[in-house]
Amino acid sequence: DTGVSQNPRHKITKRGQNVTFRCDPISEHNRLYWYRQTLGQGPEFLTYFQNEAQLEKSRLLSDRFSAERPKGSFSTLEIQRTEQGDSAMYLCASSLSGQGIYGYTFGSGTRLTVV
Amino acid sequence: DAKTTQPNSMESNEEEPVHLPCNHSTISGTDYIHWYRQLPSQGPEYVIHGLTSNVNNRMASLAIAEDRKSSTLILHRATLRDAAVYYCILRGIEVGSQGNLIFGKGTKLSVKP
Repeated sequence: DTGVSQNPRHKITKRGQNVTFRCDPISEHNRLYWYRQTLGQGPEFLTYFQNEAQLEKSRLLSDRFSAERPKGSFSTLEIQRTEQGDSAMYLCASSLSGQGIYGYTFGSGTRLTVV
Repeated sequence: DAKTTQPNSMESNEEEPVHLPCNHSTISGTDYIHWYRQLPSQGPEYVIHGLTSNVNNRMASLAIAEDRKSSTLILHRATLRDAAVYYCILRGIEVGSQGNLIFGKGTKLSVKP
């Protein structure tokens, strides 16, 4: 297993367009997380899945954002009608669930630039 | 909100030990102390975690105060590759959404040759 894979690495899009990012977690990890990170800030939690169930969405996740994890494997994060404020690094992580004792493995992220 | 306090930045010389402090005065008895680091243009990387006892692994050591209200990440010999932002995070028991990692701003470590 090569870790958490995110595609694409970079995405430039025009304001108003839709974009979709993909995350392939470590295969045996049942939890998958999405974070967003802007320059100079720590990653901000967006949402997470346990298997295929989306268990929490942050208030940061507006109605234009949707995430899926079909069959509990890979996940996609879609942003509709992108705005310049959506420009950020979008990070995916996966972990095993287990009373806080397991670490997260992060991908290298997808950097989104909305022009 | 992040429940830890870290200095914004620290400097170290190459091949010298580095002690990165973290205060977490509101820690609960079931919170684990996790440390992650983020190198430029990469996602965060797990470093180490502990509950009560000091912990060692190949990357670092974690020293936890007896009252658990503070901890220190120790890099025994800093290299240029250790220059990164280091995050200290409390992680609770995973009940529902609790236990998700909540990042603060971390400590930016610079290593001078």
